Amino acid sequence: GAVVSQHPSRVICKSGTSVKIECRSLDFQATTMFWYRQFPKQSLMLMATSNEGSKATYEQGVEKDKFLINHASLTLSTLTVTSAHPEDSSFYICSGAGDRVRNEQFFGPGTRLTVL
Amino acid sequence: AQTVTQSQPEMSVQEAETVTLSCTYDTSENNYYLFWYKQPPSRQMILVIRQEAYKQQNATENRFSVNFQKAAKSFSLKISDSQLGDTAMYFCAFMNDFGNEKLTFGTGTRLTIIP
Repeated sequence: GAVVSQHPSRVICKSGTSVKIECRSLDFQATTMFWYRQFPKQSLMLMATSNEGSKATYEQGVEKDKFLINHASLTLSTLTVTSAHPEDSSFYICSGAGDRVRNEQFFGPGTRLTVL
Repeated sequence: AQTVTQSQPEMSVQEAETVTLSCTYDTSENNYYLFWYKQPPSRQMILVIRQEAYKQQNATENRFSVNFQKAAKSFSLKISDSQLGDTAMYFCAFMNDFGNEKLTFGTGTRLTIIP
């Protein structure tokens, strides 16, 4: 399968600060990237879908001004959590889909965000 | 909107035995994809098996096989000769066949393999 990396793997920040998470497709071009959030012992919930060079499409209930998504290239997407609060603490996972295998997503290892 | 239901929150089985995880889904589409993902304690999502809805033949990958019943909208995963490394969360997921569409996940089944 194709490889997707995420950085950082773990981040702790103070309430009110912003945090940026990077998602990179290492060996394929990801025309579409997805961002998921996973709370403990729960399933993955899609936050947004981004296509390279276009604005992200957010799922209902996800604040687009709080969770800024940029997909400026075919190998990089970023998620910025602005003015983070303790309730934003979660596990964030990205995935990429593109030219490697049609209709299959390749997942990054995830980023654990803890907001104090 | 599509929904995916996994009715077994937790399951456990003795090592070397066979276990079947259940999944049902709801859609009005005729063409779509179904997936089983494994999430071990590392939390890395790993694709276990994939089924295209237009294929009647059930997908198999070594010890893993599915029972795909399109009319019943059922997609169960059978793990044969279970191993300790199979201990993980298993998620069933649905994707429309519109080209790199989003995945809709079930709530997951926590599977424990007992030595």
